[in-house]
Amino acid sequence: NAGVTQTPKFRVLKTGQSMTLLCAQDMNHEYMYWYRQDPGMGLRLIHYSVGEGTTAKGEVPDGYNVSRLKKQNFLLGLESAAPSQTSVYFCASSPHRDRIYSGNTIYFGEGSWLTVV
Amino acid sequence: EDKVVQSPLSLVVHEGDTVTLNCSYEVTNFRSLLWYKQEKKAPTFLFMLTSSGIEKKSGRLSSILDKKELFSILNITATQTGDSAIYLCAVEYRVTGGGNKLTFGTGTQLKVEL
Repeated sequence: NAGVTQTPKFRVLKTGQSMTLLCAQDMNHEYMYWYRQDPGMGLRLIHYSVGEGTTAKGEVPDGYNVSRLKKQNFLLGLESAAPSQTSVYFCASSPHRDRIYSGNTIYFGEGSWLTVV
Repeated sequence: EDKVVQSPLSLVVHEGDTVTLNCSYEVTNFRSLLWYKQEKKAPTFLFMLTSSGIEKKSGRLSSILDKKELFSILNITATQTGDSAIYLCAVEYRVTGGGNKLTFGTGTQLKVEL
């Protein structure tokens, strides 16, 4: 039961480098999200997707791009990494509202720790 | 602007104490309020609340929602050191074009000491 899998789990980047975080879910969920978590800031939404081929901006989208070419994958790209993007990144997915049975709305990956130096 | 505010930001208690964590919100198209516990990694689900006045309970944890006053509380009785964590409140709401979004509060950092 993989659930939501993020790769890589840890990465150190130099300022200006680019990279992609990969999120994969095997639960056939329609919706996927990328959050970042900084100390004292809770979880802030970067981008999200309501279905294959669609993406939308969240609260803090600047400096990031996303793509959802396949329903099970949601990629987060950093175009030119900056120290302000040092954070923990969480991917999450959720099913269509009509298929929520357990009470839980959203399922998280284990997180990706990114440091930009 | 949609927002979720949690209080207190941090709390230190002794084992056996009872704690109450607060979450207030302002969102449009409200669907539900959720509580999560976060230790070292991903948040883990505690409760989902959609109706006012109905308490959800799981062991020593309980939670209730007031949709008129737009807040929820999470109670933990007889706290244990294993309850030490960040407790996150999130509000789910509908977005244009379909789908749901969650807005999270900043979390309450709870530390339970012996």
